[in-house]
Amino acid sequence: AQSVTQLGSHVSVSEGALVLLRCNYSSSVPPYLFWYVQYPNQGLQLLLKYTSAATLVKGINGFEAEFKKSETSFHLTKPSAHMSDAAEYFCAVSHNTGGFKTIFGAGTRLFVKA
Amino acid sequence: EPEVTQTPSHQVTQMGQEVILRCVPISNHLYFYWYRQILGQKVEFLVSFYNNEISEKSEIFDDQFSVERPDGSNFTLKIRSTKLEDSAMYFCASSEISPSSYEQYFGPGTRLTVT
Repeated sequence: AQSVTQLGSHVSVSEGALVLLRCNYSSSVPPYLFWYVQYPNQGLQLLLKYTSAATLVKGINGFEAEFKKSETSFHLTKPSAHMSDAAEYFCAVSHNTGGFKTIFGAGTRLFVKA
Repeated sequence: EPEVTQTPSHQVTQMGQEVILRCVPISNHLYFYWYRQILGQKVEFLVSFYNNEISEKSEIFDDQFSVERPDGSNFTLKIRSTKLEDSAMYFCASSEISPSSYEQYFGPGTRLTVT
C-alpha cells in the first residue's frame, strides 16, 4: 500500500527565506511522486513530478524537489520565498495499480511573512 | 493549453436528491478520475475509469456513486441520494498514461453543498 506523510500542517517563513516542505512516502514499488499547489478556492496545480528520471526535479515558480530513495523522502524547496507562494501544498504518490490513482498527503499550508 | 473543465462550479442540493457532476477531460487522454476534498481535509481518491469501465475505486465509492462516459467528451459522477457528508469539493482529473508521463491534470472542481 502507498502512503504519504507531510511533516508540519503549517509552515511559516519570512519573505526571501528558504522554503522547505517535508514529504515522506511509502510504496512497495518504485513510485511516481508529485507536488501540487492549491491556492484558496482553486483547483490543484502541478508544481513538479518525479517519474524515475533525474532525482533532482525542477518545477515551476522556482520550486525543486529531490528524490531520496534511502530516506523515502521527496522534500520541496525554494531558495527564496515570495508572498505569492502562500498556499496549500500537497505531496502525492502514484504508481501503476491499473488506474494510476494518486494518494495525497494531508497538505502543508505555507504562510509567508513580509 | 488544453485543460480539464468541470460544471457546475457550485452545486447546492437537498439531502436525498440525486446530483450529477460533469467533467470534460483533455481530449487525447485515456484515464479519467474523480477525487473529493472535504473542507479543510486532504484530497481523496474516489475512482479511476479506463476503456469505458471502472479500473479502481476506493472504499468511499459505494453504491451511491456511479460514473459514466456518456459520449466522447463528457465524464460524469452521479450521487444517487446525497447525504450531508457528501458536501465537498469534487475534482475531476485525466491523464495520458504515456511511458514518460503519468501526470494527472485536474479540473477546477465542483463545490457540492448538501443541505
